[in-house]
Amino acid sequence: DSGVTQTPKHLITATGQRVTLRCSPRSGDLSVYWYQQSLDQGLQFLIHYYNGEERAKGNILERFSAQQFPDLHSELNLSSLELGDSALYFCASSVGDLAGTDTQYFGPGTRLTVL
Amino acid sequence: AQTVTQSQPEMSVQEAETVTLSCTYDTSESDYYLFWYKQPPSRQMILVIRQEAYKQQNATENRFSVNFQKAAKSFSLKISDSQLGDAAMYFCAYRSPFSNSGYALNFGKGTSLLVTP
Repeated sequence: DSGVTQTPKHLITATGQRVTLRCSPRSGDLSVYWYQQSLDQGLQFLIHYYNGEERAKGNILERFSAQQFPDLHSELNLSSLELGDSALYFCASSVGDLAGTDTQYFGPGTRLTVL
Repeated sequence: AQTVTQSQPEMSVQEAETVTLSCTYDTSESDYYLFWYKQPPSRQMILVIRQEAYKQQNATENRFSVNFQKAAKSFSLKISDSQLGDAAMYFCAYRSPFSNSGYALNFGKGTSLLVTP
C-alpha cells in the first residue's frame, strides 16, 4: 500500500457525460500528479499540482481539468467523454521537493469505461 | 522530450533464474533520474528501484539491481532468483530535474515478464 488513495476504483459512464476522479496523497506530500494509461498511448503525464498550484501540464485535453484543494486532495474532471477516454487514471504523490529529487508513489488507479 | 525505449515487449524466466530487462533513453541533459516501476495484474504501480544519474554506483534493492551506463544511455534491470510474484509489466521511466518538465515521469512502453515454475 503506497498510502495514496483514489476513488472510485471503477467508473462506467456514457459518451458525453462528465465524471470526477478523486485522489488523496500520502500524508505530508505536497505534490500530486495525474497520469493516464491506455492501450494505445501507454502511460502519459497529464498534470502536476504542488501545494494547490498548477505546476505543469502534459498531454491533457482541454475537456479535462484538475485542481488541488487546501487539504491537498486533488480531483480530475473529465467532461464530454468519448470512447477513447476509456483508460486507467493514476494519481501519484511526492513530498514536493522543488529540486525534483523526490520519488512519486502511485495510487491504485481509477478504471474509467466510457460506453 | 526525452524518449524512453524498452525493446523487449515480453520476456520469460524460470523461477530462481536471473533475467535482465533493457531500457534505453534519449536525452541531452546531464543530470536526471531513472526509475523502474512494476505493474502486477492488480494494476498497482510499484516502485522497484531508482537511480540518480550523477551517481556512478549502480542502485540495488534486494534481488533487483540496475546496470546504469550513462554514456550509452542505458538502464537495464536485473532480477536475480526470480520468483512467481515477480511476474508483471515492468516500466522504465525518466525524470528531468528541471522544473519546466513538471518533474513528470516519462515512461517506456513496458516489458511483460512471465515467470515459469
